[in-house]
Amino acid sequence: EIVLTQSPVTLSLSPGERATLSCRASQSVTSSYLAWYQQKPGQAPRLLIYGASTRATGIPDRFSGSGSGTDFTLTISTLEPEDFAVYYCQHYGHSPPWTFGQGTKVDIK
Amino acid sequence: QVQLRESGPGLVKPSETLSLTCSVSGGSLNFYYWNWIRQPPGKGLEWIGSIYYTGTTNYNPSLKSRVTISLDTSKNQFSLKLTSVTAADAAVYYCAGVGNYFGYWGQGSLVTVSS
Repeated sequence: EIVLTQSPVTLSLSPGERATLSCRASQSVTSSYLAWYQQKPGQAPRLLIYGASTRATGIPDRFSGSGSGTDFTLTISTLEPEDFAVYYCQHYGHSPPWTFGQGTKVDIK
Repeated sequence: QVQLRESGPGLVKPSETLSLTCSVSGGSLNFYYWNWIRQPPGKGLEWIGSIYYTGTTNYNPSLKSRVTISLDTSKNQFSLKLTSVTAADAAVYYCAGVGNYFGYWGQGSLVTVSS
C-alpha cells in the first residue's frame, strides 16, 4: 500500500499569495497517477487535478500540479477567497488500494 | 452531467450491517468504475472499494472481510454493505465515479453507529 504524506498540515496565507502544497509517496506512483482534490466544510471533495498535472473540467488555471515518482506539488498561483479549504492528494496507480494523503488545510492568515 | 446520490439509513446499531445505495443519473454505469469512500467526522478520506461495470470488485484490505459492493444495472445503482459495524465505522459515506480517480461525487450520507 502506498502511503501519501502531505505537508504542511496547515498553510496560513492571505488572499493574493501563492500556495505550494506537497504530497510525498512512500513508493513511486505509476505513470504519475496522482490526483488532487479540494474539500470545503460540509461538501464532497472536488477533483482539481489528475495525472499529476491535468486540470479537471472547469478548474481555473491558477491551480497547477507537477511532479513525478514520489514527489508531487499542487500550486495555487494567486489565492482567491474561495480557495481556502482542505486539499487532498490521492494515488490511483498500478494496483489498489487507492489511498489519500491526510490533507493540507489552507486557511486565512 | 453525471450525478450521484447516496441513500440509506442514517443510524445503524453496533454489530449490524450498514447498507447504502448510490443512484446514478445522467449517465450509464457501463464502462466505468464506481467507488465508495468514507470520511469519519473531522478526519480524512478512506477508499472502501470499487466495482467495475462488469461486476469485478476491489476492496481496501483493511475492510475486505466485511465489505460487499454490488451493481444493479437495471436501476443504474450500485450498493455498499458493511457488516459487523462498530463506532469506528461512523462516517460520511460517499459514492464516487467514474474511474480510479473521482470526478463525480455524491453529496455524502452520514452514518451514525449507536444502539
